[in-house]
Amino acid sequence: ELKVEQNPLFLSMQEGKNYTIYCNYSTTSDRLYWYRQDPGKSLESLFVLLSNGAVKQEGRLMASLDTKARLSTLHITAAVHDLSATYFCAVVAYQLIWGAGTKLIIKP
Amino acid sequence: DTGVSQDPRHKITKRGQNVTFRCDPISEHNRLYWYRQTLGQGPEFLTYFQNEAQLEKSRLLSDRFSAERPKGSFSTLEIQRTEQGDSAMYLCASSLARGQGYYEQYFGPGTRLTVT
Repeated sequence: ELKVEQNPLFLSMQEGKNYTIYCNYSTTSDRLYWYRQDPGKSLESLFVLLSNGAVKQEGRLMASLDTKARLSTLHITAAVHDLSATYFCAVVAYQLIWGAGTKLIIKP
Repeated sequence: DTGVSQDPRHKITKRGQNVTFRCDPISEHNRLYWYRQTLGQGPEFLTYFQNEAQLEKSRLLSDRFSAERPKGSFSTLEIQRTEQGDSAMYLCASSLARGQGYYEQYFGPGTRLTVT
């Protein structure tokens, strides 16, 4: 059974700090997505990672993929309050298989 | 707005009633997906269509759930004899597939169902 595990599931941090969210998955896949979801809202695609060693950056967020380790990371640099949201990783295995999400709260 | 739209955005119903949700995908997209999301969880795949054909349905999906996409455009998801456990956000997504394999999905705002 394909499993996608995120950790931590909950993260509270101060503005200005750095942190990393981890996404482990249990089978081979050629594509991994990171999504953002605000409370009561739908899902916004942040990054798609297509190959081993892929790194993408947008503002204070940077995502990377290690297909050999079956691990993706989402790194937050100098966090700001507006980044508070739940972040999901999802792995392509014919269909999208989702992690449980990491709820991120950034305190001013 | 040319994104995926869903209607209604919120639905409150009593246990045992039937409900129907509608999804309008991005106009040129040929694939349409339905997901269910409960609090604190990622979306759970329910079913998907390519044009009007329903190509896959989750084994976890109860027979009380049915989906249609009669003309390959909008889709409806019906839940019969609702149960409290059906309370969730129902998400629709669409994609433009140019062959086999996976293509990026674009999500609608969701329909939040509350069964009392």
